[in-house]
Amino acid sequence: AQRVTQPEKLLSVFKGAPVELKCNYSYSGSPELFWYVQYSRQRLQLLLRHISRESIKGFTADLNKGETSFHLKKPFAQEEDSAMYYCALRESEYGNKLVFGAGTILRVKS
Amino acid sequence: DAGVTQSPTHLIKTRGQQVTLRCSPKSGHDTVSWYQQALGQGPQFIFQYYEEEERQRGNFPDRFSGHQFPNYSSELNVNALLLGDSALYLCASSSGNYSPLHFGNGTRLTVT
Repeated sequence: AQRVTQPEKLLSVFKGAPVELKCNYSYSGSPELFWYVQYSRQRLQLLLRHISRESIKGFTADLNKGETSFHLKKPFAQEEDSAMYYCALRESEYGNKLVFGAGTILRVKS
Repeated sequence: DAGVTQSPTHLIKTRGQQVTLRCSPKSGHDTVSWYQQALGQGPQFIFQYYEEEERQRGNFPDRFSGHQFPNYSSELNVNALLLGDSALYLCASSSGNYSPLHFGNGTRLTVT
């Protein structure tokens, strides 16, 4: 079965430090990977998707098919990055069925 | 643009009862998906509606059913509620398949 694993429930870093939120997946086909973010008291929103190859709010993520990973990275954390981050996989043959990880809380301390 | 709107925001029901949750998609979107998010977990896919038909379904029992109306709005119905159905129910809309999902704020369902 398809699975998305986010091994850390909580990641706490100091402002200005690098951030890496880990995501590993299991899927036999060609998945589409996403990172969603939920700021305090806001709705879940798309941060980035691997096919776009964009950098959003300084975050990047590279799909590594060999390691089946899609880690989210930012070189210098800011306090406003504090939020819940979810990694999600869309099975290529399906439409809107996303498989989400359990999420990682990122806490950026001043 | 109000985005995806869901109602009600909170709901308390008793075991065995039935509940209906409602969702209006973002303007211009024609596809609606429903997700269940239990405490401490990521959202789990329930089903997707497009052109008023259920197109995909996750691993949820038949007690979970839905409907999509001609104006693209949608309802999620849950019959014979169990304590384990207590969760945040999220609606997401998109423009067809494969476009990014836009989520609503969710309906918090508590079953006592």
